[in-house]
Amino acid sequence: KAGVTQTPRYLIKTRGQQVTLSCSPISGHRSVSWYQQTPGQGLQFLFEYFSETQRNKGNFPGRFSGRQFSNSRSEMNVSTLELGDSALYLCASSPEGTSGGRATDTQYFGPGTRLTVL
Amino acid sequence: GQQLNQSPQSMFIQEGEDVSMNCTSSSIFNTWLWYKQDPGEGPVLLIALYKAGELTSNGRLTAQFGITRKDSFLNISASIPSDVGIYFCAGRDSGTYKYIFGTGTRLKVLA
Repeated sequence: KAGVTQTPRYLIKTRGQQVTLSCSPISGHRSVSWYQQTPGQGLQFLFEYFSETQRNKGNFPGRFSGRQFSNSRSEMNVSTLELGDSALYLCASSPEGTSGGRATDTQYFGPGTRLTVL
Repeated sequence: GQQLNQSPQSMFIQEGEDVSMNCTSSSIFNTWLWYKQDPGEGPVLLIALYKAGELTSNGRLTAQFGITRKDSFLNISASIPSDVGIYFCAGRDSGTYKYIFGTGTRLKVLA
């Protein structure tokens, strides 16, 4: 199976602009989560989508939004970019459910999108 | 945001030595995951644990799900230079189902 893919891998924007990042989960995975990773704050949870519905949300301002499509692909959008939004944005997919009675709560990460805000 | 306590934060070790790191939480977790991240890449899953007391190995790596469900450790035996990287633990909160990540252990191996 192909892994989690994210596009673009690198992005440079200026303050005030908006950006859309894309994530394609592993085939068959219905849960997609987004994280922001910075050297100072580590991995911070943004939100999780499951079957096109936002199931969980982290503590980020409303400028950060996301959505999931019927094929489980997901996008996240950041509006009115700030310098502090510069980070590695990671997407992770999860199969959910059980397999032979054993939980398959596992997240698989994509390579990330490196966003730089100037 | 909520994070796990992961220790040590960083360590330098000699090639061939064994390494141990652990994570503790104030919350009960249903799942513990261990990842390794190389610079500029996404974390790669090393080991997944689903049951209190479970001990699982993956090559030179061994991880355990603590009996209290509030901690986990990862051991790396006979370290090699390619073990260099940042190791993260993650737990799935049994109440919110969110994955919570540790602050990471930066491992440097001296040849």
